[in-house]
Amino acid sequence: QLQLQESGPGLVKPSETLSLTCTVSGDSISTSTYYWGWIRQPPGKGLEWLASIYFSGSTSYNPSLKSRVTISVDTSKNQFSLKLSSVTASDTAVYYCARHGYYVSGYMDVWGKGTTVTVSS
Amino acid sequence: EIVLTQSPGILSLSPGERATLSCRASQSVSSSYLAWYQQKPGQAPRLLIYGASSRATGIPDRFSGSGSGTDFTLTISRLEPEDSAVYHCQQYGSSRTFGQGTKVEIK
Repeated sequence: QLQLQESGPGLVKPSETLSLTCTVSGDSISTSTYYWGWIRQPPGKGLEWLASIYFSGSTSYNPSLKSRVTISVDTSKNQFSLKLSSVTASDTAVYYCARHGYYVSGYMDVWGKGTTVTVSS
Repeated sequence: EIVLTQSPGILSLSPGERATLSCRASQSVSSSYLAWYQQKPGQAPRLLIYGASSRATGIPDRFSGSGSGTDFTLTISRLEPEDSAVYHCQQYGSSRTFGQGTKVEIK
């Protein structure tokens, strides 16, 4: 059964870089035909897609955050990661990782449980 | 960027009633690349509908999706207490964007 698990610091200081990792179990990123992505949800607000990556390293980013976001993949560890630089309080959110296909299968069908990140000094 | 606007913001209905949730796009969504998700408090979203009208695996048939172009609808035919949740629409035809969500409350 495919499972995704987010991990990383729960507290990040303003202006620093937020770093999160998603560990995939039950499927191999390197042989999968899916993309792997990050989505966040500020408290009481809607969902926002941040970035996605394919095992080959092909990436796509939300244009509004592209200058601050980096997504990477480590197929040897079956993990993919997110870095968000120069964080402010508005980056406080629950961060989810998820799997999705492309084109007709571009919906997100498997999600991690999410990890809460607070930006505060 | 395609902006998705969901209405109403909150829907309060009784068990057994029909719920109709709207998702309107600022421009046409390619090939009906639209999905609906259900999110209960403290949980991750769960895929309900993809391709505007196809139910995901294990989703009860009281959930149905319809629409094309810029107007999409999620219908819950007979509400059950466990349907209390926030429902999000998402388009994946041009980058990926979500609506702001509709909260369904069961009286």
